[in-house]
Amino acid sequence: DAKTTQPPSMDCAEGRAANLPCNHSTISGNEYVYWYRQIHSQGPQYIIHGLKNNETNEMASLIITEDRKSSTLILPHATLRDTAVYYCIVKRSQGNLIFGKGTKLSVKP
Amino acid sequence: NAGVTQTPKFQVLKTGQSMTLQCAQDMNHNSMYWYRQDPGMGLRLIYYSASEGTTDKGEVPNGYNVSRLNKREFSLRLESAAPSQTSVYFCASSPRTEMNTEAFFGQGTRLTVV
Repeated sequence: DAKTTQPPSMDCAEGRAANLPCNHSTISGNEYVYWYRQIHSQGPQYIIHGLKNNETNEMASLIITEDRKSSTLILPHATLRDTAVYYCIVKRSQGNLIFGKGTKLSVKP
Repeated sequence: NAGVTQTPKFQVLKTGQSMTLQCAQDMNHNSMYWYRQDPGMGLRLIYYSASEGTTDKGEVPNGYNVSRLNKREFSLRLESAAPSQTSVYFCASSPRTEMNTEAFFGQGTRLTVV
């Protein structure tokens, strides 16, 4: 499975959009991009995943570049409860979720 | 729905003691996983079970054994606990390993080995 690179930390003002980048320059054609988050040492929570097209659900949007070498997770209106560690994971269909260190997002009032 | 339930939530062991961490899911999922998380680190996969009756090693299997007791339950055993196994342990399940669906995680077991 391809490796990912994320900034170790980011800040965001409450009510503003949080844009979390992820680099996965070695991604293969059959690998998906997944995003999970972990709030204060709880179990990780699934957010969204995608292959090529942009995806949106009730939690977030996932924007994948055309060459698929990077992606951005967008939380449209961040709240204090979105403060968490966000993990970007690249996974084949048959592969397991392999977590890196993620990005610690701090949403500030 | 309970989802993924782990027991116990907290445990302190002495070096050399053994114990079994229990995990059960009520979502009829085929695949189950055990991860550990050390301070400031991401989760690392210990073992997984793609389906009932099968288990496979993950990234850090040494010092652990697992049992997929049935479709619902996947236990993790430490035969002789060491301080290096002090960690938070998470169990997870998903419909099938090869499907592109979300995994659900339990709330973790916080283990300290002294």
